[in-house]
Amino acid sequence: GQQVMQIPQYQHVQEGEDFTTYCNSSTTLSNIQWYKQRPGGHPVFLIQLVKSGEVKKQKRLTFQFGEAKKNSSLHITATQTTDVGTYFCAGPIYNQGGKLIFGQGTELSVKP
Amino acid sequence: GAVVSQHPSRVICKSGTSVKIECRSLDFQATTMFWYRQFPKKSLMLMATSNEGSKATYEQGVEKDKFLINHASLTLSTLTVTSAHPEDSSFYICSARDRTSGIGGELFFGEGSRLTVL
Repeated sequence: GQQVMQIPQYQHVQEGEDFTTYCNSSTTLSNIQWYKQRPGGHPVFLIQLVKSGEVKKQKRLTFQFGEAKKNSSLHITATQTTDVGTYFCAGPIYNQGGKLIFGQGTELSVKP
Repeated sequence: GAVVSQHPSRVICKSGTSVKIECRSLDFQATTMFWYRQFPKKSLMLMATSNEGSKATYEQGVEKDKFLINHASLTLSTLTVTSAHPEDSSFYICSARDRTSGIGGELFFGEGSRLTVL
């Protein structure tokens, strides 16, 4: 079946270092979404990418959607302690009425 | 942004009892809501899709008689865990999509409900 793989599973960085998480789908996606879940919290929508090769920025966060629309990445520049949490990518399941399939998530910890 | 309210946030119950969790979209209408289960340090596992005015559709391996879902209105879906057992202890999260955003739009998540069955 359709799968969304995300790596790495965990990332520990020193505050100020950069961070990247990668997302790969077994199938072409109509769009890809990114969510952040803080420890003890619930997932919160960050962004949606739709176009092939699309790049979007939100302050220190840069999101990319691959040319083949099968992979995506989230890059955080100069991490801060407020970036701590688990980052999930998610893509629509083909022909399944809007269901999303989530990657396993990348848990980011930032050491001050 | 849109708000989804879920409660209770925490519930502790005895084995064999039933627990109802409510999920409400506060400022938008949702024809579809999704129920997820999340284990510690794990991803979101889709349990079922709740459809307003019709039966929920369950993912493979999810017992529909154990996890009863009702989507009574465009702003309310409920999940009832019937005859709960310790293995049902988990974090249950609902999500909803604004009916105006199309089937591929972003999901708004509730705060989650942590169920502990003794």
